[in-house]
Amino acid sequence: QKEVEQDPGPLSVPEGAIVSLNCTYSNSAFQYFMWYRQYSRKGPELLMYTYSSGNKEDGRFTAQVDKSSKYISLFIRDSQPSDSATYLCAMSGAGGGADGLTFGKGTHLIIQP
Amino acid sequence: GAVVSQHPSWVICKSGTSVKIECRSLDFQATTMFWYRQFPKQSLMLMATSNEGSKATYEQGVEKDKFLINHASLTLSTLTVTSAHPEDSSFYICSASYSGSGAEQYFGPGTRLTVT
Repeated sequence: QKEVEQDPGPLSVPEGAIVSLNCTYSNSAFQYFMWYRQYSRKGPELLMYTYSSGNKEDGRFTAQVDKSSKYISLFIRDSQPSDSATYLCAMSGAGGGADGLTFGKGTHLIIQP
Repeated sequence: GAVVSQHPSWVICKSGTSVKIECRSLDFQATTMFWYRQFPKQSLMLMATSNEGSKATYEQGVEKDKFLINHASLTLSTLTVTSAHPEDSSFYICSASYSGSGAEQYFGPGTRLTVT
């Protein structure tokens, strides 16, 4: 079993829909949970990160972490064609920025105009 | 702010040669830099963690004699792929963090290495 599982998709939804992206993990030592967006052949761009369990909202994006279930989610409201990209979940231990990240495989998201 | 650059963005080399990739933090001093590798349609895999002036810590399965990492200053880390082989062809991405960045790592744009 891999440490972080993420459905690679592709996930195709119409413009304006609510998108739900998810990851599960097995390592209970993870404390920081991130979502990155990556375009083809580019470096990842951080969307948001959460420490421990809870919700965090930033504009159209909401991140949720449920440590008891080892399950994290990213919701995108009012999705736009410009949101089409690969979304990567990532996690690290208590060391925060001093720890390397463990990434999911990424979900390829397509927003249809 | 918090910009990380990589050079070159794309390199082609012949099998058996060595190639160096640079990672620079342009507007901050990076206490820690990381090197990742990404194969097509695969996740980013952490290769090593380096702190300025210290030896890099390599992940299990990564050959430290093949992937030489030097973190000589707070703004520069280099990855040298020695005696490259076609199976080393991949997308190499660095990231950097600093003491006040929380858990955030700032990623470079990546370097595509093709070994022929």
